[in-house]
Amino acid sequence: GAGVSQSPSNKVTEKGKDVELRCDPISGHTALYWYRQSLGQGLEFLIYFQGNSAPDKSGLPSDRFSAERTGGSVSTLTIQRTQQEDSAVYLCASSSTHVRAYGYTFGSGTRLTVV
Amino acid sequence: GQQVMQIPQYQHVQEGEDFTTYCNSSTTLSNIQWYKQRPGGHPVFLIQLVKSGEVKKQKRLTFQFGEAKKNSSLHITATQTTDVGTYFCAGNSGGSNYKLTFGKGTLLTVNP
Repeated sequence: GAGVSQSPSNKVTEKGKDVELRCDPISGHTALYWYRQSLGQGLEFLIYFQGNSAPDKSGLPSDRFSAERTGGSVSTLTIQRTQQEDSAVYLCASSSTHVRAYGYTFGSGTRLTVV
Repeated sequence: GQQVMQIPQYQHVQEGEDFTTYCNSSTTLSNIQWYKQRPGGHPVFLIQLVKSGEVKKQKRLTFQFGEAKKNSSLHITATQTTDVGTYFCAGNSGGSNYKLTFGKGTLLTVNP
């Protein structure tokens, strides 16, 4: 696609429920990243994919968080047993091998609210 | 691990005043990138700096990369209300690792 697509754009869920967030990167972008941004805060790194593998999962806050990427394209971020502190905007970005020329392209994010 | 610090956290200026945000890395960087996030929006790539001492300009924006490749700055001349947003720097340590480490950003507000 022309840009990075994320769905849903907004998600309200009850505490304790599981949620799945989806990211469809730019076609041909080999690298995919998930970040989290709380209100007025910076970008918190969660996980990085190169193709289908995740060489860096160091940012996942707990074992309730998991992510996968299939076919080197779409990625899903799953949060199990959601907590109120999980409320944030979850941003996905992708980049080509020319990341140093063109940077990351971010999606519009999924705003997650846990009530 | 690599840390990128950015100051100030907030900056409020009158329209027409200049603005500068500074970025410092705990390690030497291969390159540094700058992003702008408008209120309610997502970060958008502005520019990348690669060479030691590099200076690049985009209209009223001037980006610098330090000689030691551990610090960078973004300077905006004669701010306009359209400059409002959060400016992030992001560093890369090089090699085949595409991962960027982002600073916490500087929120710029402009009073018309």
